[in-house]
Amino acid sequence: DVKVTQSSRYLVKRTGEKVFLECVQDMDHENMFWYRQDPGLGLRLIYFSYDVKMKEKGDIPEGYSVSREKKERFSLILESASTNQTSMYLCASSFSPGTSSYNEQFFGPGTRLTVL
Amino acid sequence: AQSVTQLGSHVSVSEGALVLLRCNYSSSVPPYLFWYVQYPNQGLQLLLKYTSAATLVKGINGFEAEFKKSETSFHLTKPSAHMSDAAEYFCAVSRYTGGGNKLTFGTGTQLKVEL
Repeated sequence: DVKVTQSSRYLVKRTGEKVFLECVQDMDHENMFWYRQDPGLGLRLIYFSYDVKMKEKGDIPEGYSVSREKKERFSLILESASTNQTSMYLCASSFSPGTSSYNEQFFGPGTRLTVL
Repeated sequence: AQSVTQLGSHVSVSEGALVLLRCNYSSSVPPYLFWYVQYPNQGLQLLLKYTSAATLVKGINGFEAEFKKSETSFHLTKPSAHMSDAAEYFCAVSRYTGGGNKLTFGTGTQLKVEL
């Protein structure tokens, strides 16, 4: 079974803190993704990475950065957390053979982040 | 740009009744379409996917979806709802951007199943 794990299920941080969310996948997937999920807005892509040290902005990258030093690990960084970053954060990974678009993404359980 | 629209943020059905969750897509190229389910406090799990092999796609837990190009729709159905189907359902469309495949999600439909 594909497994995507996230470092924390629940996290509470203070405004201005630097926050690291970690994601690890065990299926040797090339692609990894970070989404945030908010009620009524669905999932919105923050950043994705299609290879080690490669990253691309998603739809809402402002206030976030990412790091991918190893193929299995993808980190989301909030440089200075703000209350409007309180949300559910979901990590996903997928295999990407050539130009195929149909490969499903496998999701982690999510991290519910509260910024006070 | 590809997008999906899910009609109805909340749907309520009786146990044993037909489940119909609506999804319409917009795509300039032949789309690859997905339905995911999210149970409370969990990540998303793939229900089924359309990859142009067959217009009627069968998924897990008795769900199926039919791709209708003329209607730009990919509605999700299940003949008989079960209490365990209560969850949030997301429709998504995939696109390849040169670096990898990305998914664009709809805003989700919360399914409630009543006795």
